[in-house]
Amino acid sequence: GEEVAQTPKHLVRGEGQKAKLYCAPIKGHSYVFWYQQVLKNEFKFLISFQNENVFDETGMPKERFSAKCLPNSPCSLEIQATKLEDSAVYFCASTRLAVSYNEQFFGPGTRLTVL
Amino acid sequence: ELKVEQNPLFLSMQEGKNYTIYCNYSTTSDRLYWYRQDPGKSLESLFVLLSNGAVKQEGRLMASLDTKARLSTLHITAAVHDLSATYFCAGSKGLSTGTASKLTFGTGTRLQVTL
Repeated sequence: GEEVAQTPKHLVRGEGQKAKLYCAPIKGHSYVFWYQQVLKNEFKFLISFQNENVFDETGMPKERFSAKCLPNSPCSLEIQATKLEDSAVYFCASTRLAVSYNEQFFGPGTRLTVL
Repeated sequence: ELKVEQNPLFLSMQEGKNYTIYCNYSTTSDRLYWYRQDPGKSLESLFVLLSNGAVKQEGRLMASLDTKARLSTLHITAAVHDLSATYFCAGSKGLSTGTASKLTFGTGTRLQVTL
């Protein structure tokens, strides 16, 4: 597609439950990024993929967070045993390598509320 | 590690007035981006600045980049209510040639244009 698609729009989980978020990048884009936006507008980078390979995972809280991008499937971000502080909007972005710049196009986000 | 600071955090301005949002970054950044975010919405790409002295304009918004001062500015000319939104600058530092790296965001500037 021509837009980054994210599902679901909203997700509510009780503490300790699992949450799984999905992202379909723009067709032809080889990079996918996940960002977390918390209440004070702060964006935190989580992980990026180049095709199905992890490219940069320096932002991932490895204990409970995992992510995958498999061929012919939406990318996913999974949080095991959610905590209250995981409440945030999770944005996925994609880009393709271009000669001069790598503009990232953002999806609509998934709002995760942990109760 | 790249750090990005934006100011002001909040800006209330009257329609018709001019103002500038400042974005400082800590180390060499390959590219500087400006995004707009409306409440509850995703990020909309406004500008990508690649080189020293770069200036881009779209309507009432003009962005510039001074790599020596590590400073980018977003200038608003004759503000109108429709420009009310939160504006983010973001930098990226390429890990290697031909790769797409994560964005490091500033804190955002919430712009409110009053009638």
